[in-house]
Amino acid sequence: DTAVSQTPKYLVTQMGNDKSIKCEQNLGHDTMYWYKQDSKKFLKIMFSYNNKELIINETVPNRFSPKSPDKAHLNLHINSLELGDSAVYFCASSRRQGATGELFFGEGSRLTVL
Amino acid sequence: SQQGEEDPQALSIQEGENATMNCSYKTSINNLQWYRQNSGRGLVHLILIRSNEREKHSGRLRVTLDTSKKSSSLLITASRAADTASYFCATDGNNQGGKLIFGQGTELSVKP
Repeated sequence: DTAVSQTPKYLVTQMGNDKSIKCEQNLGHDTMYWYKQDSKKFLKIMFSYNNKELIINETVPNRFSPKSPDKAHLNLHINSLELGDSAVYFCASSRRQGATGELFFGEGSRLTVL
Repeated sequence: SQQGEEDPQALSIQEGENATMNCSYKTSINNLQWYRQNSGRGLVHLILIRSNEREKHSGRLRVTLDTSKKSSSLLITASRAADTASYFCATDGNNQGGKLIFGQGTELSVKP
């Protein structure tokens, strides 16, 4: 069974479009994250939710809107896509927020904006 | 802000050799973690070392932590072709508000 699953795995779209990435974890964890990995493999945190509540919101354009309908799901909606949004987006979860333990990552969603 | 920086950026060795990767960080930490990322895949947790620990082992992996030098190293002994991957250190800093901050990784290539 996949612990953290995200869909879609690949997303190719035109500038200006809106797209969503979905993430689900079946580990019973309280905390979920979105990370962005650029072409140089630099991994940067975007958002963190703890039990459906937004905890971390890094300096991310407000075109990016996360939503957590319950603690097992964290989705990412992106409006008005730009070329610079092209990256791999990773969802992750951890047992609890705070003194961070091990993160469990999904397989990533590669977004290409043309 | 970027916390961990890895060295070297890329490492190429023969199967059977040992691989050593280093990580330096800037602020005090609660713990430091190492992750592996195979090409096109997600990151997988390898080992976590707490700030009051100096060394930790897991199978062929050995991690050391020197908080006075703000550095850590990951040693993979008797490497295999399957160890080919990118390796990242990540810090849980005291003033990072629960954020795990990743370095840019070391790309390890193990040739058969």
